[in-house]
Amino acid sequence: KAGVTQTPRYLIKTRGQQVTLSCSPISGHRSVSWYQQTPGQGLQFLFEYFSETQRNKGNFPGRFSGRQFSNSRSEMNVSTLELGDSALYLCASSPRGDGRGYTFGSGTRLTVV
Amino acid sequence: AQRVTQPEKLLSVFKGAPVELKCNYSYSGSPELFWYVQYSRQRLQLLLRHISRESIKGFTADLNKGETSFHLKKPFAQEEDSAMYYCALLSGNTPLVFGKGTRLSVIA
Repeated sequence: KAGVTQTPRYLIKTRGQQVTLSCSPISGHRSVSWYQQTPGQGLQFLFEYFSETQRNKGNFPGRFSGRQFSNSRSEMNVSTLELGDSALYLCASSPRGDGRGYTFGSGTRLTVV
Repeated sequence: AQRVTQPEKLLSVFKGAPVELKCNYSYSGSPELFWYVQYSRQRLQLLLRHISRESIKGFTADLNKGETSFHLKKPFAQEEDSAMYYCALLSGNTPLVFGKGTRLSVIA
């Protein structure tokens, strides 16, 4: 079966712009979690959605937001981009959202210039 | 708050030498610990979890609650083990918390 699909794979944006990233989970998985991966900080949790509801949110500014649709696909949005937002954004889906069955996507590499 | 510490950013070993990737955690309850691996140009994937008590690709990890550690070990390193390794902690209903990772480089 298809894995976790993230689009686009690469993005280059300028400061001040906004961006939307997409994640399609494995069929049947109801939970989607987002992480920001950087060389210095590793993986930092952004938010988790389960059945269209945000269940957990990490310590990121309000410029970072997300949502989940009825088909479990999820989007995250970053507004007013800053240089420090450059990172690999990873999405993970799991059947129950309990953190045990994470399957990660390949990520979206965002570069802010 | 839960925290996972991987003290080594980079670990270099020779092929055939033993490997130990260190992971310490802070959590007062009973956590579940995991090791994830990311090979070059591949997705982050689960390597093993402490509740399974299994050996994957020759790697093992034992949860030591007294020392709050979950070190990853392999007796004989192989070149294909070169990758980024992340230790992660799960507790209650909170999301998976990751350490900052250790890059393992196995030298031929």
